[in-house]
Amino acid sequence: KQEVTQIPAALSVPEGENLVLNCSFTDSAIYNLQWFRQDPGKGLTSLLLIQSSQREQTSGRLNASLDKSSGRSTLYIAASQPGDSATYLCAVSCYGQNFVFGPGTRLSVLP
Amino acid sequence: DGGITQSPKYLFRKEGQNVTLSCEQNLNHDAMYWYRQDPGQGLRLIYYSQIVNDFQKGDIAEGYSVSREKKESFPLTVTSAQKNPTAFYLCASSIGGGPGNEQFFGPGTRLTVL
Repeated sequence: KQEVTQIPAALSVPEGENLVLNCSFTDSAIYNLQWFRQDPGKGLTSLLLIQSSQREQTSGRLNASLDKSSGRSTLYIAASQPGDSATYLCAVSCYGQNFVFGPGTRLSVLP
Repeated sequence: DGGITQSPKYLFRKEGQNVTLSCEQNLNHDAMYWYRQDPGQGLRLIYYSQIVNDFQKGDIAEGYSVSREKKESFPLTVTSAQKNPTAFYLCASSIGGGPGNEQFFGPGTRLTVL
């Protein structure tokens, strides 16, 4: 059964720093991997979707990469801003199966 | 604007009561999902529906029920059989064609048992 972990659980960085969030999964036969942002008390906002055949996706200051062989995805945030403070979740689906979600990384960007 | 709406935003339930959470989407998506989120845990799937008039249990379906009479609507009932219902409930939808496609979420309903 697919298991998804995210380390660290929480991260604090000063404004302007580039940072990397990690997502690890146990079953490399994935179909899609999706990164989300969640603000306190709110729903999930989709950031990036990486399909199985893709290595990376970019949107603005965000870049997500996928390495199926090592069971890892990283979300790179460039020039972080206080408005980036939120919890970031990754979710992984295998063929014919629903998404499995990681517990998230709580990011604080300090002004 | 297309999107997913959930109501109410906050819901309070007394012991022994059934309550129903609403989820509506105008994205013309075939598939809809209900998740439960507890502090410090990832989202857990309660029920999902790939097509109207059909739905399947997720990982934690006990104490919950759903219906899918219309493509746009997927209400969730939390029954008195659910022993620990206090949580944040999230509804999502996707284009369908099988599970595991890109998902879009509503704003959530926070349920508290008094």
